[in-house]
Amino acid sequence: TQLLEQSPQFLSIQEGENLTVYCNSSSVFSSLQWYRQEPGEGPVLLVTVVTGGEVKKLKRLTFQFGDARKDSSLHITAAQPGDTGLYLCAGARGTDKLIFGTGTRLQVFP
Amino acid sequence: SAVISQKPSRDICQRGTSLTIQCQVDSQVTMMFWYRQQPGQSLTLIATANQGSEATYESGFVIDKFPISRPNLTFSTLTVSNMSPEDSSIYLCSVESGRSYGYTFGSGTRLTVV
Repeated sequence: TQLLEQSPQFLSIQEGENLTVYCNSSSVFSSLQWYRQEPGEGPVLLVTVVTGGEVKKLKRLTFQFGDARKDSSLHITAAQPGDTGLYLCAGARGTDKLIFGTGTRLQVFP
Repeated sequence: SAVISQKPSRDICQRGTSLTIQCQVDSQVTMMFWYRQQPGQSLTLIATANQGSEATYESGFVIDKFPISRPNLTFSTLTVSNMSPEDSSIYLCSVESGRSYGYTFGSGTRLTVV
């Protein structure tokens, strides 16, 4: 059973467009992380959110943690080809293992 | 954050053989994690390796198929035993780098079983 469902699964857009990726669960997490993975590499951390309702901005990326700490979203403004990659949310419960979401593969065309 | 060296980066193996993947961390860590990433999919946790004790395996993964060693606080190996084409995946090791840094991953081992 996949605890973290991401949507959409695939996203193909033109440079300059905005997009939102969703990460949903029926479980509560103490923190939620977003990673980006490029081919031939391991995932790289983008952000960690720990407080319900928290919003974090990283340049053109905005991350939000749901009030109930069960869901999160990633919004990218004015997407660029360099944003292309596999985006993964991952939930942690305390110091326990990290559970990854189903993944969203983003392709941004020039 | 921690730096992980993982090898081999890729390999093509015959079915029925075994492959051992190594991960070296540049700092001492309590737990190391091993993940599998099947083609085009997300990461699935195989097991958690603690130094000085047996690894803890997730549902669907067993020690006979994926034996793990953790001889010290900076090193771990994962062996994929008696391989079949269904084992073709990317295998990644990971450590927690602290709350601000999340988890750090090795660059992965791309395994193809023929």
